[in-house]
Amino acid sequence: DTGVSQNPRHKITKRGQNVTFRCDPISEHNRLYWYRQTLGQGPEFLTYFQNEAQLEKSRLLSDRFSAERPKGSFSTLEIQRTEQGDSAMYLCASSRTGGNTEAFFGQGTRLTVV
Amino acid sequence: GDSVTQMEGPVTLSEEAFLTINCTYTATGYPSLFWYVQYPGEGLQLLLKATKADDKGSNKGFEATYRKETTSFHLEKGSVQVSDSAVYFCALSKQGGSEKLVFGKGTKLTVNP
Repeated sequence: DTGVSQNPRHKITKRGQNVTFRCDPISEHNRLYWYRQTLGQGPEFLTYFQNEAQLEKSRLLSDRFSAERPKGSFSTLEIQRTEQGDSAMYLCASSRTGGNTEAFFGQGTRLTVV
Repeated sequence: GDSVTQMEGPVTLSEEAFLTINCTYTATGYPSLFWYVQYPGEGLQLLLKATKADDKGSNKGFEATYRKETTSFHLEKGSVQVSDSAVYFCALSKQGGSEKLVFGKGTKLTVNP
């Protein structure tokens, strides 16, 4: 399967701990997105990379959040000093520029902060 | 800012019933419109899309028409199946820039045999 892969699928952490999630996009896709989805809501945009450059960040992305995409391949999303309000599903999507720009989503990482 | 409003759920139908899920949007310019579906335990999948006014997107028996005059993109299916049970999300994106998706809250559909 060459779809978007996210790890881990589930993460339970204590408040105040740091967590890191990984996303492996479809290999030929140069665009990568992170979204957050809480219960009963649609996904909300967090940040966007084109290749290795982070070109857009939502105001939802507080200073405790940081995302990277070294070498324009996989991406990581780190949350420092987690809070209970960070509990959500974190979704990664990838697409290519030009032509068919359909975004393909991973299955997400479900974060629970206790 | 840009936003999408879709019909509150949950929606429960019997097999072979007609389905409509309403979606309206607010956006400057000319967004592309999408319906995504999330089956239980799976990731979001694109169901259909339309990129300009009066375009009709269709897939798996589902259809939606981009209506600029009413800023709507309602999802319809003439005869639903149990396998259509899922959460459906309406979304928009603007061409150029990040082309990030702006989603509605989702509508959960349950189809009973």
